[in-house]
Amino acid sequence: EDKVVQSPLSLVVHEGDTVTLNCSYEVTNFRSLLWYKQEKKAPTFLFMLTSSGIEKKSGRLSSILDKKELSSILNITATQTGDSAIYLCAAWASGNTGKLIFGQGTTLQVKP
Amino acid sequence: GAVVSQHPSRVICKSGTSVKIECRSLDFQATTMFWYRQFPKQSLMLMATSNEGSKATYEQGVEKDKFLINHASLTLSTLTVTSAHPEDSSFYICSVYPAGSYNEQFFGPGTRLTVL
Repeated sequence: EDKVVQSPLSLVVHEGDTVTLNCSYEVTNFRSLLWYKQEKKAPTFLFMLTSSGIEKKSGRLSSILDKKELSSILNITATQTGDSAIYLCAAWASGNTGKLIFGQGTTLQVKP
Repeated sequence: GAVVSQHPSRVICKSGTSVKIECRSLDFQATTMFWYRQFPKQSLMLMATSNEGSKATYEQGVEKDKFLINHASLTLSTLTVTSAHPEDSSFYICSVYPAGSYNEQFFGPGTRLTVL
């Protein structure tokens, strides 16, 4: 059975801290791994990772995929209160159907 | 990115009634749409894959007779929760998968269903 596991499930930090969120996957016919940020409504897209070892960056956020370890990390540096959200990773499971398998999510709270 | 709308954004209904949720792709045609359910403090759980012009594909454990999906056009998919019960209260989110997008999905804003 395909599955995606995230850790930690929740995290509380203070502004300015750096955090690392983890995602591991066991997925048949893995194609890509995606990271999303979810605040009050639907998830918003952060990164899509297809190749191993290539870091993707967007401002203070960065992410990298390790296909050998079947895992990915999402780093957030100099955290701000606006980074408080649920961070979801999802694996694109099979073929070209577009089906995503989501992890449980990591709830991040950044305190002032 | 693509624009996806959902209607209604929030609905409160009595137990035993049926509720229809619409998901529209506003600026492109989508042969495939997905329906997810999210309980509080939990992740998105895929319920079904909605295919234009054919039957939906349901995930294991999702009752197809309870969650009716219709994808009659390339821009509209509907999810009907039949005979809703309090345990169906959840956040329902649709996403669209444009053909040729190489697995990028675009999510709707979600519908909060509360069954009393």
